[in-house]
Amino acid sequence: AQTVTQSQPEMSVQEAETVTLSCTYDTSESDYYLFWYKQPPSRQMILVIRQEAYKQQNATENRFSVNFQKAAKSFSLKISDSQLGDAAMYFCAYTYYGNNRLAFGKGNQVVVIP
Amino acid sequence: ETGVTQTPRHLVMGMTNKKSLKCEQHLGHNAMYWYKQSAKKPLELMFVYNFKEQTENNSVPSRFSPECPNSSHLFLHLHTLQPEDSALYLCASSLRGDNEQFFGPGTRLTVL
Repeated sequence: AQTVTQSQPEMSVQEAETVTLSCTYDTSESDYYLFWYKQPPSRQMILVIRQEAYKQQNATENRFSVNFQKAAKSFSLKISDSQLGDAAMYFCAYTYYGNNRLAFGKGNQVVVIP
Repeated sequence: ETGVTQTPRHLVMGMTNKKSLKCEQHLGHNAMYWYKQSAKKPLELMFVYNFKEQTENNSVPSRFSPECPNSSHLFLHLHTLQPEDSALYLCASSLRGDNEQFFGPGTRLTVL
């Protein structure tokens, strides 16, 4: 079974600073996908960034970037220049090729301090 | 309406009531999902439908009964629930074969 682990349930960051959320996963698959989802207080979950395991280059979306370490099965999210709107729960998720079932971690609460 | 919508947004019910949650997606997707989100726990996948056919039931108690009449609509029928079933129920959709899922805002369910 695939598992996704997120430690540090709550992280605080000063506005305009950088915060990094960690995620590790366990899998025996070679072709898989990793995601970070954001769930603001309004509850609608939205995709922040995705990474295909076969790609060596780390994904980047504006202020969001990942550090994908395939051998270590680690997938961290970096939020640069944090903004008040970044305050939310962030979930790491995993699935493998040919499967539309997502496995989620417990989430990290990000608090942005003005 | 755009994206994935869910109604009602909040629901309070007694253990003997019967109610239904509704999900509708406006994205042209052909796979739909029900998740349960409880505090301090990972999201739990409950059911998966592909092209209106149920392809996964993740050991969900029979007091939860899903229905998918077409690729755009998904229901979760509830009866004789327990207080521990109180949670946020999220619906999601995707294109079959694409891994990105789009979520609705959820229904906050409280069972008294």
